Amino acid sequence: EVQLVQSGAEVKKPGATVKISCRVSGFNIIDYYIHWVQQAPGKGLEWMGHVDPENGETMYAGTFQGRITLTADTSINTAYMELSSLATEDTAIYYCADLKRFWGQGTLVTVSA
Amino acid sequence: DIQMTQSPSSLSASVGDRVTITCRASQGIRNDLGWYQQKPGKAPKRLIYAASNLQSEVPSRFSGSGSETEFTLTISSLQPEDFATYYCLQHSTYPWTFGQGTKVEIK
Repeated sequence: EVQLVQSGAEVKKPGATVKISCRVSGFNIIDYYIHWVQQAPGKGLEWMGHVDPENGETMYAGTFQGRITLTADTSINTAYMELSSLATEDTAIYYCADLKRFWGQGTLVTVSA
Repeated sequence: DIQMTQSPSSLSASVGDRVTITCRASQGIRNDLGWYQQKPGKAPKRLIYAASNLQSEVPSRFSGSGSETEFTLTISSLQPEDFATYYCLQHSTYPWTFGQGTKVEIK
């Protein structure tokens, strides 16, 4: 069974950095790009970027450029999303996904002073 | 960036109704478009890929059409489990972009 299991909820202060993990089971992570999607409370979906775990190549949305780092550790079939300089507007659920069939359960990040 | 404009932003419909949602791209994207369904508190699920191909295990009442700048998602006979929010996603050009969503509510 394929599963993408994300790390748990986070509470951060403005200016901090958050790093979320996405552990893949049931397929080899190098076979698919891993995408990250942001969903603010009551809002729509926003594509943040993706990482090619096979070679580490990344693409980022301009909205997050300079603050986001996507990586993957193929030895443990896990992808990571790090977002820095957090602001209250970054309060959202963050999903990892292959955008074809498989999604993580989402990780709520709350940014509050 | 390519803007994806969905319409309507919400609609009310009854079980059995035919529902059509439109997504317009600000520039041509060939058929590089998917449709996603999201229910409250859940991750999205892809229904349609390459504009008109039904994802496996998705009911055949869902269909997609279109190319370049205009796309539609049609639900031929709305079922109770179809009340959800629907999004289009273009993956023709970086950054990939979602439409703003269409909420389908019960009339």
